[in-house]
Amino acid sequence: QSALTQPPSVSGSPGQSVTISCTGTSSDVGRYNRVSWYQQPPGTAPKLMIYEVSNRPSGVPDRFSGSKSGNTASLTISGLQAEDEADYFCSSYTSSSTSLYVFGTGTKVTVL
Amino acid sequence: QVQLVQSGAEVKKPGASVKVSCEASGYTFTNSYIHWVRQAPGHGLEWMGIIDPSGRGTTNAQKFQGRVAVTRDTSTSTVYMELSSLRSEDTAVYYCARAAAYSSMTFDYWGQGTLVTVSP
Repeated sequence: QSALTQPPSVSGSPGQSVTISCTGTSSDVGRYNRVSWYQQPPGTAPKLMIYEVSNRPSGVPDRFSGSKSGNTASLTISGLQAEDEADYFCSSYTSSSTSLYVFGTGTKVTVL
Repeated sequence: QVQLVQSGAEVKKPGASVKVSCEASGYTFTNSYIHWVRQAPGHGLEWMGIIDPSGRGTTNAQKFQGRVAVTRDTSTSTVYMELSSLRSEDTAVYYCARAAAYSSMTFDYWGQGTLVTVSP
């Protein structure tokens, strides 16, 4: 089971919007609406930001939004803030015989 | 509030085993699955396995079959992950994570992580 593909890094100035892509296959992202996004500041545990493609858990700012088209899911951060600087990972349920879940390769978001 | 508290860092030699614990609090332990995920230095996240604390079993990633054992103790609300035949590539931070009640395929709370270092 290969990892989902994310860009290594994206950057933006405060107030701008950035979008992170997460590309999988018809066995995972394309097949299930079970895509989640996690934020991981350096040296800390991941934090859930988006679940089931576009849902935000309680407490997550509405600046964070998710979407999906075909085999690619996306996370958009609008009105970028300094505190958003972190690594972001996507994950998806998968029909693979080798694993139930697959994670993305990770994207470093830098606030300029 | 929901908390998952993991055991401390470990240093092991190749071929040895390691057992990491994850103590849950703030919710009904048997109501939510617990996952194990690891992150090698400078790398992404890798799903290892899942346990149903109510006793209905475990499922592990094929990569770890035969090397990983996930168990639970309901009396202490603790889940354990034991990885055997350790090799240098197993050096990583190991996380336990709870499956969300509102979406079982989502990890809503994570432990603080346990660094396991495998070195001769």
